[in-house]
Amino acid sequence: DAKTTQPPSMDCAEGRAANLPCNHSTISGNEYVYWYRQIHSQGPQYIIHGLKNNETNEMASLIITEDRKSSTLILPHATLRDTAVYYCIVRFSGGSNYKLTFGKGTLLTVNP
Amino acid sequence: DVKVTQSSRYLVKRTGEKVFLECVQDMDHENMFWYRQDPGLGLRLIYFSYDVKMKEKGDIPEGYSVSREKKERFSLILESASTNQTSMYLCASNEGYGYTFGSGTRLTVV
Repeated sequence: DAKTTQPPSMDCAEGRAANLPCNHSTISGNEYVYWYRQIHSQGPQYIIHGLKNNETNEMASLIITEDRKSSTLILPHATLRDTAVYYCIVRFSGGSNYKLTFGKGTLLTVNP
Repeated sequence: DVKVTQSSRYLVKRTGEKVFLECVQDMDHENMFWYRQDPGLGLRLIYFSYDVKMKEKGDIPEGYSVSREKKERFSLILESASTNQTSMYLCASNEGYGYTFGSGTRLTVV
């Protein structure tokens, strides 16, 4: 799986958009970009994933650059409950490679 | 609401004890995983299973074994617990895209 690079920490004001960047310059054509988050003392939670098109669901939006070498997770109106470690993961979907490899992620702190 | 349930939230065991960590999922998923999480080291895969009675070693299988006798249940076994196995243990299941994690078991070995 391709390696990802994320900033170790970010701050965001409550009610504002949180934009979390991720670099994955070695991504290959059939690898997806996944985002998970982990709130303190809980298990990681799936947020969203995408291949090359931008994606949106009830939790967030995912913007993937045209060359697919980087992406941004957007939380449109951050709340205090969005304070968590956010993980960007690149992996194949399906096949025999089931493993999900987590890096260190970005600690997002939403401030009142 | 779909769930991955880990039997204990907190557990304290003595060095040398045999420890069983249980995980049950209600989503009929084929794949199940055990991770441990330590400060500064992130999540590391211990074992995973892609079918009943099938298992594969992850990145750090030493000192652990697993059992998957039924599709919904995946057990992690510490044959002889040691203090360096004090950690947060997370179970997950998956079929398709998203992984669903349990709330974790914080194990302390004294």
